[in-house]
Amino acid sequence: EAQVTQNPRYLITVTGKKLTVTCSQNMNHEYMSWYRQDPGLGLRQIYYSMNVEVTDKGDVPEGYKVSRKEKRNFPLILESPSPNQTSLYFCASRRQGSNTGELFFGEGSRLTVL
Amino acid sequence: RKEVEQDPGPFNVPEGATVAFNCTYSNSASQSFFWYRQDCRKEPKLLMSVYSSGNEDGRFTAQLNRASQYISLLIRDSKLSDSATYLCVVGVSGNTPLVFGKGTRLSVIA
Repeated sequence: EAQVTQNPRYLITVTGKKLTVTCSQNMNHEYMSWYRQDPGLGLRQIYYSMNVEVTDKGDVPEGYKVSRKEKRNFPLILESPSPNQTSLYFCASRRQGSNTGELFFGEGSRLTVL
Repeated sequence: RKEVEQDPGPFNVPEGATVAFNCTYSNSASQSFFWYRQDCRKEPKLLMSVYSSGNEDGRFTAQLNRASQYISLLIRDSKLSDSATYLCVVGVSGNTPLVFGKGTRLSVIA
């Protein structure tokens, strides 16, 4: 089954404790992206990757890091989480150059930073 | 000016009603247009692409007006299961990130 898998789905952590949210896709997609979604602000892009070893900042990259060492994986790293990073996070992927535009999303990771 | 703007709603409509959402975009170089649907606390999913000539999928009709830079979604004979947030999405090319509107919330009431 074609899918994007994120882990963990739910996490409560404390300020400053490094964490990683993993994202994996099995569709051989070149393009992967991370979004956060907050009430009233919609989906905002954090980072995206056009292909292996290529990453770019989105609209709200501060406080986040990513890596793309393999095509299927695109982990999101919070080196020192802060309460303003409490949010619902989505990973997504699609074929590069795809004009169908279909982004396939993971089920989301709800993060709370105390 | 925001890149993609939508009326946030909520739109509260009775079952069977026809409801229309509009969305405007600011980048005249935009080439691809979509509507996504997002249920509460779930991931967004593609509802339909929007083509220049307009397109229909069952009770859903999408239209594009390039001159005025807006996209519309019409839902006929609303069902309770149509209750969701509808996201307008615009892309410049297949190699650039898609831009999402903040969404319009629809509640269909029995």
